[in-house]
Amino acid sequence: GQQLNQSPQSMFIQEGEDVSMNCTSSSIFNTWLWYKQDPGEGPVLLIALYKAGELTSNGRLTAQFGITRKDSFLNISASIPSDVGIYFCARETSGSRLTFGEGTQLTVNP
Amino acid sequence: SQTIHQWPATLVQPVGSPLSLECTVEGTSNPNLYWYRQAAGRGLQLLFYSVGIGQISSEVPQNLSASRPQDRQFILSSKKLLLSDSGFYLCAWSTGQGIDGYTFGSGTRLTVV
Repeated sequence: GQQLNQSPQSMFIQEGEDVSMNCTSSSIFNTWLWYKQDPGEGPVLLIALYKAGELTSNGRLTAQFGITRKDSFLNISASIPSDVGIYFCARETSGSRLTFGEGTQLTVNP
Repeated sequence: SQTIHQWPATLVQPVGSPLSLECTVEGTSNPNLYWYRQAAGRGLQLLFYSVGIGQISSEVPQNLSASRPQDRQFILSSKKLLLSDSGFYLCAWSTGQGIDGYTFGSGTRLTVV
């Protein structure tokens, strides 16, 4: 019930292309979070979503909290080489503990 | 401003040897502290979390233990490492009052040989 299903597992795109990834669960969540991890570093929070239907942007990134509260997507527009990394969705539980999806590995070819 | 320090950055240890990874936080008091493990660059698994000195909760049974001897210090330990303990270990902290304050350290790459 607490598992997050994230897809796709990996993406290989050309610079300038748009990217979309999503996360689903069988459980209803109150928070959806999207993190990015650069190689050899800890994840960094990109976008936090707190309400069903919420659409939030952070530069070229846009994320939405699904109406059913069981899914979320992250879009990256006009990708650039520094977008390379692993993108994780996550949900918050009590005590600010986080459960993470398995991640989407993004490769951007110049 | 708050910062989180984690060391060492990389570690190679033989099977059966002990382990001690340290994490410290600056610029905040009474943080929630967490240890996560990441295998093969995939999802992160919560190992331990602590809401105060001496208070440790374990999320999964394992060969590791955690301690919080001071308010802003969190230590991950093992008496005898296993090959399966290899991975990327991340410390994190939060205020416990909202996800915006959840910050990860830069991680320790542990290889057990």
